[in-house]
Amino acid sequence: DIQMTQSPSSLSASVGDRVTITCRASQSISRSLIWYQQKPGKAPKVLIHAASSVQSGAPSRFSGSGSGTDFTLTISSLQPEDFAIFYCQQSYSTPLTFGQGTKVEIK
Amino acid sequence: QVQLQESGPGLLKPSETLSLTCTVSDGSISSYYWSWMRQPPGKGLEWIGHIYYTGSTDYNSSLKSRVTISLDTSKTQFSLKLFSVTAADTAVYYCARWVYNSGSYYNWFDPWGQGTLVTVSS
Repeated sequence: DIQMTQSPSSLSASVGDRVTITCRASQSISRSLIWYQQKPGKAPKVLIHAASSVQSGAPSRFSGSGSGTDFTLTISSLQPEDFAIFYCQQSYSTPLTFGQGTKVEIK
Repeated sequence: QVQLQESGPGLLKPSETLSLTCTVSDGSISSYYWSWMRQPPGKGLEWIGHIYYTGSTDYNSSLKSRVTISLDTSKTQFSLKLFSVTAADTAVYYCARWVYNSGSYYNWFDPWGQGTLVTVSS
């Protein structure tokens, strides 16, 4: 199974800050990486697929990069509604696996 | 647009069988994979498995011996059965459509159901 490791596990940042979350795969997954945002009590929503393609309807302040084993999700200017947990997921092979999540708190 | 809704019992006793159904509305069940995930309270997401509209299935090896996913195309529903549950199976269970473009990187889960909490307790 491919293990996905996110860092940090949590962070606190101010509105307007640039925020970066990293995700590392235990083996190369090329660009088969998806980012989701999950707000409390809700299902996850896809933000980024194919490592860097912004999902239709996702705010343009979200961007993704990386390939192989190392990936990043960047929020260019943090907004109050971005308080959430962010998950990465690999789609390279089954079992499909997720990172443990990164909780973003607003200062 | 396609919407998914989970339904089923919210409380089970150890050793019982978890049975959930996901109803797909406003869309066709054809040409996609239909998945189940779960999330224990306060924890991360685990993929349970999925079924293709043709009926072929793929399961997470960690649960494979206890899981069955089936499809009812006439009712545009798919179902999850998890046998011999324990307290460790307590989680919010989500159904979702797996948008899979073979041979490409363009894959994702969307949409998701709202999730249903299943508690296993004696």
